Amino acid sequence: AQSVTQLGSHVSVSEGALVLLRCNYSSSVPPYLFWYVQYPNQGLQLLLKYTSAATLVKGINGFEAEFKKSETSFHLTKPSAHMSDAAEYFCAEGRRALTFGSGTRLQVQP
Amino acid sequence: EPEVTQTPSHQVTQMGQEVILRCVPISNHLYFYWYRQILGQKVEFLVSFYNNEISEKSEIFDDQFSVERPDGSNFTLKIRSTKLEDSAMYFCASSDGTSGRQETQYFGPGTRLLVL
Repeated sequence: AQSVTQLGSHVSVSEGALVLLRCNYSSSVPPYLFWYVQYPNQGLQLLLKYTSAATLVKGINGFEAEFKKSETSFHLTKPSAHMSDAAEYFCAEGRRALTFGSGTRLQVQP
Repeated sequence: EPEVTQTPSHQVTQMGQEVILRCVPISNHLYFYWYRQILGQKVEFLVSFYNNEISEKSEIFDDQFSVERPDGSNFTLKIRSTKLEDSAMYFCASSDGTSGRQETQYFGPGTRLLVL
């Protein structure tokens, strides 16, 4: 069975600092990988997805993720955090039945 | 921008009662999904639906659950006899089913179900 692991249930950064949210997947075949964001009391919004066209994927709101097959990782980064980035971030894998990680809550300190 | 909508946003029910959660997927989408998120836990896949039938389901989706597309716009999840452990946020999603690796699931805002 597929599994997705997100290291760190909570990450706190200062405004303007680098954001790094970690995700590792288990699939042995080329995976379908996604990052979703959930703002308080809202649904899941797609940040970006890996389509195999490029290993560095750019998404919305300045986020990007790098697919590293050798590390089975798809970490999410943003060079400079903004207060509005505070939310819960989910990594997911799959074609139809998505398998989600447990989520990372990002706090941004002023 | 088209979006998935869900009603109600919150529902409280008594254990043993039937509930129907409603979703309106994006209009030209072909695949529909239900997921749930128990408080403090992962988002879990329940079922996918295509061409008026279930295409895949998880072991969570047992006989007390059913899905239906009663008309051209709605997609429903029915829980026949609710249990306390069914309390969760239920998300509906849809995808266009035509884009291969470009395919994306778009999620609704969720229905928070509380079973007392």
